[in-house]
This record gives sequence, C-alpha cells and structure tokens, in this order.
Amino acid sequence: DAKTTQPPSMDCAEGRAANLPCNHSTISGNEYVYWYRQIHSQGPQYIIHGLKNNETNEMASLIITEDRKSSTLILPHATLRDTAVYYCIVRDPTDSWGKLQFGAGTQVVVTP
Amino acid sequence: DAGVIQSPRHEVTEMGQEVTLRCKPISGHNSLFWYRQTMMRGLELLIYFNNNVPIDDSGMPEDRFSAKMPNASFSTLKIQPSEPRDSAVYFCASRIAGNTIYFGEGSWLTVV
Repeated sequence: DAKTTQPPSMDCAEGRAANLPCNHSTISGNEYVYWYRQIHSQGPQYIIHGLKNNETNEMASLIITEDRKSSTLILPHATLRDTAVYYCIVRDPTDSWGKLQFGAGTQVVVTP
Repeated sequence: DAGVIQSPRHEVTEMGQEVTLRCKPISGHNSLFWYRQTMMRGLELLIYFNNNVPIDDSGMPEDRFSAKMPNASFSTLKIQPSEPRDSAVYFCASRIAGNTIYFGEGSWLTVV
C-alpha cells in the first residue's frame, strides 16, 4: 500500500470548516483513499473514502486532486466533538483481505 | 446493529498471568482483524482472519501471543505469559468483503 503524509496537528475554530490535507504521491491507479478518525478512548471510526471523484456524506467531504497525489478531508462545520486524530489511508481494493495500515494521523483540536 | 463487541473493556493483571481478550464481530461479517495501539507504535495490525481462517499473523509480536476464531461470531486474543510491555489498547475490527472495516471500542490492558 502507498504511504501517506499528514501534518501532525492542526487547530480549528468551532463552527468553521476544517480542511485536513493528505499527501499520497505514490498512490497507484486502483488504490482508494480512506479516512478514519479516532476520538479519545474510542475505536477508529470510518468517515469516508474515494477513488477519483470528490465524495460527500453526512460527516464530511473528500476532495481528491486530479493527479490523485493528494487529498483533503473537509469537515464543513467543526464542532468540539470533532476533536480527534484523523487518519488518511490508501488501500488496494484488490487486496481482498482489506487490511488497513494506519500512520500517525493528524491530531485535530477544535476550540470554542 | 450492535457493532463489534469486545470484552473486557479494561483489565489489570500481574506479569506472568494469562490474558484472554474476546471479540464478537458484526453479524454477517466474514473478516476479522486484531490491532494493538500504543503511544510509541500507534495502531499495529496483529492478525486477521477471513472466514474464520487466519490469513496473516506476521504482526503478532512473539509466541506469547495467539489468536483463534472458532466460529464466525467469536474470536480470542491470548497473551501467555503477559509482560508489562504488552500494556496497550487492543482493538478488534470486522468487515464483509469489499466493504468498510468497523472497529470495536477496544480492550485496555495494563500489565503490572
């Protein structure tokens, strides 16, 4: 699986959009980009995933660049409950076992 | 759906004792994963099963660790004998082929 690079930490004001970047310059054509988050003392939680097109769900939006070498997770209106470590992971769907390899992630702190 | 259920949620044990962690995957899921999380090493994949068969246990740290999946609704991770360096949060996760991985809330292990 391709490796990802994320900033170690970032702050965001409550109510504002949080834009979390991720670099995956060695991603291959069939690898998906997945985002998970882990709130303190809880298990990792799935947020969203995508291949080429931008994706949106009730939690977030995922913007993938045209060359697919980077992506941005957008939390449109951050709340205090969004404080968590956010993980960007690339995964080959042909890996039928579907295992995820986690990096260090980005610690996001949402402040009042 | 009850989600992935792990037990115990917290355990404190003395060095040398046997520890057994339990996991009930989401009903219908056919892949099961055991992860370990520490401050130093982050989230590490220990072992994963597909249709109750261990596929890759290369992440298991040493012979003191063993995992079983006797049926589709139950798995155990055993440490015998336990050591202080085994103190960590152990997560179980499951998925159905081609879909998202869902994590349990973790078992917090402290070996003194």
